[in-house]
Amino acid sequence: DTAVSQTPKYLVTQMGNDKSIKCEQNLGHDTMYWYKQDSKKFLKIMFSYNNKELIINETVPNRFSPKSPDKAHLNLHINSLELGDSAVYFCASSQDVGGLNNEQFFGPGTRLTVL
Amino acid sequence: SQQGEEDPQALSIQEGENATMNCSYKTSINNLQWYRQNSGRGLVHLILIRSNEREKHSGRLRVTLDTSKKSSSLLITASRAADTASYFCATDLVRAQKLVFGQGTRLTINP
Repeated sequence: DTAVSQTPKYLVTQMGNDKSIKCEQNLGHDTMYWYKQDSKKFLKIMFSYNNKELIINETVPNRFSPKSPDKAHLNLHINSLELGDSAVYFCASSQDVGGLNNEQFFGPGTRLTVL
Repeated sequence: SQQGEEDPQALSIQEGENATMNCSYKTSINNLQWYRQNSGRGLVHLILIRSNEREKHSGRLRVTLDTSKKSSSLLITASRAADTASYFCATDLVRAQKLVFGQGTRLTINP
């Protein structure tokens, strides 16, 4: 069974469109994250949620809105997509906030291409 | 500026040789973690070392941490082709509730 799953794996869309990426974890973890990995492989945290509560919003544009319907799901909605949004987006989860004492488990990633 | 920076950015060695990657950071940490990312995949946790630990082993992996120099190293012994991947260090900043990742070392093991 997949621990952290994301859909879709690939997303190709036009500038200005709105899109969503879904994430689910079956590990029973309390904390979930969204990361963005750019073309140079730099991985940067965007958001973290603990028990459906927003913990970190790392100066991400308002066009990005995470939603956590329950602690096993953390979805990412992006409005008015821009060329610079093209990247690989990773969802992750951990037992503790910030993964202080536990490893983070990553999903397979969603490669977003904005044309 | 980035918290964790890996060195070298790329490393290519022959199968069977040892691979050493280094990570430097700037501020106080609770722990430091190493992750592996195979091409087109998500990151996989390898090892966590706490700030009060100096060395940790896991199979063919050996991690050291020198908090006075704010640096860590990851040693992979007897490398295999399957070790080809990018390796990232991630630092858990004190009171920050997040991990900060470096840009990674791209390791290539030649058969």
